[in-house]
Amino acid sequence: AQKITQTQPGMFVQEKEAVTLDCTYDTSDQSYGLFWYKQPSSGEMIFLIYQGSYDEQNATEGRYSLNFQKARKSANLVISASQLGDSAMYFCAMKTSYDKVIFGPGTSLSVIP
Amino acid sequence: DARVTQTPRHKVTEMGQEVTMRCQPILGHNTVFWYRQTMMQGLELLAYFRNRAPLDDSGMPKDRFSAEMPDATLATLKIQPSEPRDSAVYFCASGLVLGQKNIQYFGAGTRLSVL
Repeated sequence: AQKITQTQPGMFVQEKEAVTLDCTYDTSDQSYGLFWYKQPSSGEMIFLIYQGSYDEQNATEGRYSLNFQKARKSANLVISASQLGDSAMYFCAMKTSYDKVIFGPGTSLSVIP
Repeated sequence: DARVTQTPRHKVTEMGQEVTMRCQPILGHNTVFWYRQTMMQGLELLAYFRNRAPLDDSGMPKDRFSAEMPDATLATLKIQPSEPRDSAVYFCASGLVLGQKNIQYFGAGTRLSVL
């Protein structure tokens, strides 16, 4: 079965510090994609970063990087230099075959001044 | 600044009434997804389309929900009759499939309350 697991329901981080949000996935597909989305309290879903299963390098987008460990089936999101505006829900997602995308349960991140 | 447009943003209705939610995907995108988000269930995929053809609606209660794409600029999600348990935020997302990449861009959502 294809599944996304996010084991941290809630996380706290001090402003300006780095934080890692965990994500593990389960799939038998060889070709797949992994995503992270941010959902602030306003409710919108904002795309952050993408990693393809065949990508050699870890994806980076500004302060966001994805720590992709294929053998362990993990795709952790690293946010460097946390800002107060990073406080939000973060969802890990996986694109499976036939373009279907499934989401994990999310991690609530709170950045403390 | 291209974005997915959903209407209405908020809908309050009484049990038994028909609800229609609309979505205008980003021009040029070839996939459209409907999700429902609740506190209890999180994000659930209801239906998705590729090139306007429905590929999967297994997550949708068939007896009361229906999803269509009458043309490339409009996707609809209907609930008839609505029930209080349908109260949720409904998101539409569109994307462009490029190889294994299909980044979805979400609309602002429709917050539905069924009384």
